[in-house]
Amino acid sequence: NAGVMQNPRHLVRRRGQEARLRCSPMKGHSHVYWYRQLPEEGLKFMVYLQKENIIDESGMPKERFSAEFPKEGPSILRIQQVVRGDSAAYFCASSPRGTSGGGSYNEQFFGPGTRLTVL
Amino acid sequence: GQQLNQSPQSMFIQEGEDVSMNCTSSSIFNTWLWYKQDPGEGPVLLIALYKAGELTSNGRLTAQFGITRKDSFLNISASIPSDVGIYFCAGQSTGNQFYFGTGTSLTVIP
Repeated sequence: NAGVMQNPRHLVRRRGQEARLRCSPMKGHSHVYWYRQLPEEGLKFMVYLQKENIIDESGMPKERFSAEFPKEGPSILRIQQVVRGDSAAYFCASSPRGTSGGGSYNEQFFGPGTRLTVL
Repeated sequence: GQQLNQSPQSMFIQEGEDVSMNCTSSSIFNTWLWYKQDPGEGPVLLIALYKAGELTSNGRLTAQFGITRKDSFLNISASIPSDVGIYFCAGQSTGNQFYFGTGTSLTVIP
């Protein structure tokens, strides 16, 4: 976990509000992945980004969810008009390079997560 | 999406016992990763496997990449209380996604 930072650790929103989750990857890592975890379930892939590019967003809902990884600053996962079903833990992971290359550069290191509660 | 079946779902063992858990997929994977997650924390990478048949150790942990490339095993020897947590397998075929298993919850009784 060391090095991948996420904030806030806990976020409470009312239905209809926006949630913004931030992720700073490990030093030297330029690839970021977002996952969602419901209680007592595994992690579900949402989106994979490189700097300024969305590489794979096949796991992300088409509406209300968006992600970015700007040239400067952290990656942001944004959820607009949150609903109760969005309540979950959201984890960010980073790797030195993309997963298609194989080998040790494939390894993903996770942050501590943001627990989103929608009231 | 890919189906990853992880078993057992939960285990209760005595301190000092060995533990085995496994993961099977419906299709061939090129990479297997094993993670441990403590409550309220993110998963921590334990072992990474890249070749069919590969056997890799990390202290008391040993993991194997199945020959068929559709399964992987994790063994923990001489369990201790701090081994408590949820263990996840994750596999990747082609493309960018890692698919995670549903987890094995391990409880170690002192």
